[in-house]
Amino acid sequence: DAGITQSPRYKITETGRQVTLMCHQTWSHSYMFWYRQDLGHGLRLIYYSAAADITDKGEVPDGYVVSRSKTENFPLTLESATRSQTSVYFCATQAGTQYFGPGTRLTVL
Amino acid sequence: GQQLNQSPQSMFIQEGEDVSMNCTSSSIFNTWLWYKQDPGEGPVLLIALYKAGELTSNGRLTAQFGITRKDSFLNISASIPSDVGIYFCAGQAMNRDDKIIFGKGTRLHILP
Repeated sequence: DAGITQSPRYKITETGRQVTLMCHQTWSHSYMFWYRQDLGHGLRLIYYSAAADITDKGEVPDGYVVSRSKTENFPLTLESATRSQTSVYFCATQAGTQYFGPGTRLTVL
Repeated sequence: GQQLNQSPQSMFIQEGEDVSMNCTSSSIFNTWLWYKQDPGEGPVLLIALYKAGELTSNGRLTAQFGITRKDSFLNISASIPSDVGIYFCAGQAMNRDDKIIFGKGTRLHILP
């Protein structure tokens, strides 16, 4: 019973490449979120989803795309990665409080 | 928009000392949450507070929901090495489906 998983845990890519970070939950929580965490900025919300096929922008959505065709999955795509997108990315679900995945550390060279 | 100010940003303490950190908001929250993030992991919920004035403990941790509903504090007593990490406060405005707003975190360092 993993709860919420993210893959990959670590990723190195090059500027301009497309990268997809996966998030999967074994619960059926309606709400799912993507955050990025950078030193000095705490957790910043990129996108969130209230249910399958419903997504909305957060605080820092530029350069990212999300989809939610199934309740349990919420992938985050960087269509053309930039160095400024080097960060640690956390996926979370919400049922009252938020539950976080283990994170993906992404480095863009 | 709503903002949370969390302080201090970093703390350096000796093992065994008590720790206090707090969070203030520009607006009212109905729920206050405290999370801890260990290095290399995602944040994990420590304490949830649902009522103004509420004081809740979880082992050596105690958190309070301020009377004004615009602040909360977290105390850690008799700190130990495994308390190292980043502590986040978070607030939720009205109901379970509202977005949760996070503070920027307090990084706790424990000196040997």
